Amino acid sequence: NFMLTQPHSVSESPGKTVTISCTRSSGSIASGYVQWYQQRPGSAPTTVIYENNQRRSGVPDRFSGSIDSSSNSASLTISGLKTEDEADYYCQSYDGNVVFGGGTKVTVL
Amino acid sequence: EVQVLESGGGLVQPGGSLRLSCAASRFSFSNYAMSWVRQAPGKGLEWVSSFSGSVSNTYYADSVKGRFTISRDNSRNTLYLQMNSLRAEDTAVYYCAKGLSRLHYGMDVWGQGTTVTVSS
Repeated sequence: NFMLTQPHSVSESPGKTVTISCTRSSGSIASGYVQWYQQRPGSAPTTVIYENNQRRSGVPDRFSGSIDSSSNSASLTISGLKTEDEADYYCQSYDGNVVFGGGTKVTVL
Repeated sequence: EVQVLESGGGLVQPGGSLRLSCAASRFSFSNYAMSWVRQAPGKGLEWVSSFSGSVSNTYYADSVKGRFTISRDNSRNTLYLQMNSLRAEDTAVYYCAKGLSRLHYGMDVWGQGTTVTVSS
């Protein structure tokens, strides 16, 4: 089975852009769709991005997803940061079994 | 609005059993994969188990294999998780999540979670 590795935390000022990486340990990042979930404190997760780069209905276009085969990783980019974006973000993929990344805490300074 | 709603959590002693339920509404339940995901206090999301839509394929995390059983009743639009031989490390909020399609185990809609506490 593979692992997905994310940075523990990132922080940036309002209006700026942050990018969260999600690196797959073995096998190709392109072999299974990558999803991204947002979890605000005290709340259940919600889906932000599915199938690598598709925004779920209602998600602002400030959120975008991509994969990069050269680094075997996926990325979530949040542009025009708002205080409401402060949350934990998890990447997820599957290849037989489902795998979650460890999560990244985004702090808006 | 598409919804899933978990129930059945509670306090149970180590070695005990519990059955979680997830009631689905406003989508064609039988046509979608469904999953259980848990989150221990202060920790990240951990996948527990998934059940495919339309065909009876089930998958388990190694940490629960042989102790937990996932099932679904398509006539009742309900997903279940039977948890046996519970351990302290099973203490978590358990979320039910709808898959993106029949065999797509990306999560689309999440429930609010039900809390399981394993303690004597």
